[in-house]
Amino acid sequence: DGGITQSPKYLFRKEGQNVTLSCEQNLNHDAMYWYRQDPGQGLRLIYYSQIVNDFQKGDIAEGYSVSREKKESFPLTVTSAQKNPTAFYLCATRQNTEAFFGQGTRLTVV
Amino acid sequence: LAKTTQPISMDSYEGQEVNITCSHNNIATNDYITWYQQFPSQGPRFIIQGYKTKVTNEVASLFIPADRKSSTLSLPRVSLSDTAVYYCLVGETYNFNKFYFGSGTKLNVKP
Repeated sequence: DGGITQSPKYLFRKEGQNVTLSCEQNLNHDAMYWYRQDPGQGLRLIYYSQIVNDFQKGDIAEGYSVSREKKESFPLTVTSAQKNPTAFYLCATRQNTEAFFGQGTRLTVV
Repeated sequence: LAKTTQPISMDSYEGQEVNITCSHNNIATNDYITWYQQFPSQGPRFIIQGYKTKVTNEVASLFIPADRKSSTLSLPRVSLSDTAVYYCLVGETYNFNKFYFGSGTKLNVKP
């Protein structure tokens, strides 16, 4: 069925390691987004992409990187430069004025 | 993008109508108002969207006064399963380059 798939659901990372979060969509939407959510807080925009091979920094892009080589995929890499990466990460797509979200990946640094 | 202000939290009881108000004093002419619902450990999901006056769907109503500087999400006869965080967003139609989610309103429905 159509939707947005984020994997894995839970991810553990050692300090100093890079880790990549997957986001795949079969909705044929052009725009894709990555958000970070900390406990009890709202969503903060990390990166977004309006079209293949193009992406823009959001409000908290430092320590993160993305790529958009295919319309269906928008992976997010959390680098060792991100000092406090433990959070809930949400991927979304947009059609017109409506956002569609995946189920999220909970990243924990151990 | 227009900034929005919502109450941090609200309490209600099952069967009651709940109204959550969002302030957006700097809303632009082309901006629409959209509400999302988020359950714990899930992504937000679209509830309702409007431009002016009143919009109603199967789950909620959205009331927007003539000056559009605020909007009210109305949830009729809430149940325990409506306990969630509700976000108000304001943005330009067909130019939603970014979706800005503030802290939202945490609705706690009690039995």
